[in-house]
Amino acid sequence: GDSVTQMEGPVTLSEEAFLTINCTYTATGYPSLFWYVQYPGEGLQLLLKATKADDKGSNKGFEATYRKETTSFHLEKGSVQVSDSAVYFCALSDGSGGSNYKLTFGKGTLLTVNP
Amino acid sequence: NAGVTQTPKFQVLKTGQSMTLQCAQDMNHEYMSWYRQDPGMGLRLIHYSVGAGITDQGEVPNGYNVSRSTTEDFPLRLLSAAPSQTSVYFCASSPAGGVGEQYFGPGTRLTVT
Repeated sequence: GDSVTQMEGPVTLSEEAFLTINCTYTATGYPSLFWYVQYPGEGLQLLLKATKADDKGSNKGFEATYRKETTSFHLEKGSVQVSDSAVYFCALSDGSGGSNYKLTFGKGTLLTVNP
Repeated sequence: NAGVTQTPKFQVLKTGQSMTLQCAQDMNHEYMSWYRQDPGMGLRLIHYSVGAGITDQGEVPNGYNVSRSTTEDFPLRLLSAAPSQTSVYFCASSPAGGVGEQYFGPGTRLTVT
């Protein structure tokens, strides 16, 4: 079945440091890939997405590129801020056979950014 | 648009009690899902619905029931609460024919003692 593996963390960085959170996936079809962010005490918000190979999703300074050859979707940001402290989830939706009602999630990575 | 709403925000139950977690969306989405979030486990799918009157089991359905009588509402019922059901529960919705992007509610934190 489908699965997502991501860096488990926790990750602690200083403000303005470079961030990478690794994510790799296994899927039988042609999945869409997502990064969600969860701020303390809140629900999940979509951060960015990519729907086909070589697509780059980007939002709020975060980027991730859909790499089919390495089955990866690593999240990067060039300069993190304290306000980026949150839990980040990598997820996929396997659209083959119309099964895009379901997301498969990684376990989440806690990011703490210190001033 | 309120998006996806969930009630209650917090709930404490005793073992054996039953309750219903409410979920509603105002985006006219066909698909709705319930997930539970446990530390170190990510989110796991409990039940989902692809339209009014149609529901199916996800990865961890035991101990939970759902029904979908309208497009807007998708309640989750705990039949006889157990401590293993202590978790944070998220409802989500998505449009049919999309790429799978889901919109999440704010969650319900449930503690079973």
